[in-house]
Amino acid sequence: EAQVTQNPRYLITVTGKKLTVTCSQNMNHEYMSWYRQDPGLGLRQIYYSMNVEVTDKGDVPEGYKVSRKEKRNFPLILESPSPNQTSLYFCASARLSPFTDTQYFGPGTRLTVL
Amino acid sequence: KQEVTQIPAALSVPEGENLVLNCSFTDSAIYNLQWFRQDPGKGLTSLLLIQSSQREQTSGRLNASLDKSSGRSTLYIAASQPGDSATYLCAVQGGSEKLVFGKGTKLTVNP
Repeated sequence: EAQVTQNPRYLITVTGKKLTVTCSQNMNHEYMSWYRQDPGLGLRQIYYSMNVEVTDKGDVPEGYKVSRKEKRNFPLILESPSPNQTSLYFCASARLSPFTDTQYFGPGTRLTVL
Repeated sequence: KQEVTQIPAALSVPEGENLVLNCSFTDSAIYNLQWFRQDPGKGLTSLLLIQSSQREQTSGRLNASLDKSSGRSTLYIAASQPGDSATYLCAVQGGSEKLVFGKGTKLTVNP
């Protein structure tokens, strides 16, 4: 089944403890992206990647890192999480480009930072 | 800066009713517009993608239209069912590599 998977689905952690949220897609998509969703603010892009080894900042990149070493994986790294990073996170992918192709979203990761 | 607005924020209708969800955007220079459905505790499911050169797209009971010049899109749901209850999100793809989302319309279809 074609899908975008994220792990973990739920995570409670403490301030300053490094964590990684994994994202993987099995559709051989070139484009991948991370969003966060917050009440009243909607979905906002954190980082995106147009291709392997190519990443760039979205609207709210502060406090996050990403890497794209393989086409299928696009992990989101929080080096020193803070409570304001408590949010619902979504990974997305598109076949070639967000300008032409449907974007498919993962099931979400609900992160709580205490 | 692109802004996307969805009205109403919430809508409650009886089963079987035809309904229209509205989406407006401020910058008409878009590549495409996408409608998503979000169920509680789940991710976003893509419903329809309309390219900027298209006027509408249909999938089953769903029909989405796009009027790029006026900055508007509508999602028409025919013969609504309780299973259609969800939050519907409109998102536009402009010149940057990101989707700009509206805040959604929460739809409740009552049996």
